[in-house]
Amino acid sequence: ETGVTQTPRHLVMGMTNKKSLKCEQHLGHNAMYWYKQSAKKPLELMFVYNFKEQTENNSVPSRFSPECPNSSHLFLHLHTLQPEDSALYLCASSRVAGTDQETQYFGPGTRLLVL
Amino acid sequence: AQSVAQPEDQVNVAEGNPLTVKCTYSVSGNPYLFWYVQYPNRGLQFLLKYITGDNLVKGSYGFEAEFNKSQTSFHLKKPSALVSDSALYFCAVRDLQAGTALIFGKGTTLSVSS
Repeated sequence: ETGVTQTPRHLVMGMTNKKSLKCEQHLGHNAMYWYKQSAKKPLELMFVYNFKEQTENNSVPSRFSPECPNSSHLFLHLHTLQPEDSALYLCASSRVAGTDQETQYFGPGTRLLVL
Repeated sequence: AQSVAQPEDQVNVAEGNPLTVKCTYSVSGNPYLFWYVQYPNRGLQFLLKYITGDNLVKGSYGFEAEFNKSQTSFHLKKPSALVSDSALYFCAVRDLQAGTALIFGKGTTLSVSS
């Protein structure tokens, strides 16, 4: 349960604000992921980092900017968001992306509300 | 294209009864299949996975799932439901040979009544 942590747990921001979400994993994994979870919709993969390199960007708008300074930390920088971006943002990690070792372990999420 | 379907938005069972949460998938190659559970205000927790081998996979909290290649299904089961099993359950599939990402179903809410 504490293998992947996310801060903050809740965030309210205006459309002109800039904020960042932080994710940290303590599992020794090499891959990290950002997902968006909206009500009544499937989990949407946003970004994948494997050994600090971004390997997947799932057509995410540029107002979301990921950063992975090392294999343990992942950030999601937010800028000029829209109300429809309000959702639960989940971070996950796995040993390696794109292999049969890709059991993903999730953090508790950041509940984001854009006003 | 790969896809995963969870045909039921909600499953209701009485405590002590067996439960089944359904999942069907579509991939072009060999599937890697996963089940995750999400409790309120929490992230997803890994329950079990099928990669290869025995079609019956056992996971956490007494859950198991059966891989059925001919029916392209991977239903989650438990012989005796607990009230504490009430949560949101996600099936996910990956076609490793196609090089695609893990795709999640929309989730099924399991409600176990006492």
